[in-house]
Amino acid sequence: EIVLTQSPGTLSLSPGERATLSCRASQSVSNNYLAWYQQKPGQAPRLLIYDASSRATGIPDRFSGSGSGTDFTLTISRLEPGDFALYYCQAYGVSPRTFGQGTKVEIK
Amino acid sequence: EVQLLESGGGLVQPGGSLRLSCAASGFIFSNSGMSWVRQAPGKGLQWVSGISGSGGNTYHADSVKGRFTISRDNSKNTVYLQMNSLRAEDTAVYYCARDSGWLSVFWGQGTPVTVSS
Repeated sequence: EIVLTQSPGTLSLSPGERATLSCRASQSVSNNYLAWYQQKPGQAPRLLIYDASSRATGIPDRFSGSGSGTDFTLTISRLEPGDFALYYCQAYGVSPRTFGQGTKVEIK
Repeated sequence: EVQLLESGGGLVQPGGSLRLSCAASGFIFSNSGMSWVRQAPGKGLQWVSGISGSGGNTYHADSVKGRFTISRDNSKNTVYLQMNSLRAEDTAVYYCARDSGWLSVFWGQGTPVTVSS
């Protein structure tokens, strides 16, 4: 089972600032099958990034993903008010599909 | 428009059973794998079970293997999660998701399950 460790646990930033979220895997993620999801309170998760760096349909280009192997990053170039939320990474392509513990992006 | 509507959650005693349903619309259901993912109160996401489009392949997390069974009825565009021998640690919101390959691309709003005496 791949264990995903996200850091930091909480990121306190202001609107307009850049957010950098990290996801580290305990072993190499095959084919870079790494996704990022956004979850707001009381809502279902929404797919942002798949295959480590491809944006899902309708996701604005201020969201970008990078990385390969065991180290992955989600970058939000300029935070907007609706971006303050929880973010999870997930390794898929093998069973079990595992999630990181999440990073909360909060308003400073 | 893709829609996933979960139902069947509720309060159940430890050792009891529940069957969750997820009715799908807006896409060719039999072409899509489906998954169940849960989220305990105040906690992160945990993948529970997955099933291929035909229903011929199923997958379960070790924590639910032997207790939970995922199935689907493509004539009804519905996926199910039969949960037996429920434990307090199964308390969570259960989401169903439409898969593309192994990737969950769209999620329903979830149904809450509480296991308590």
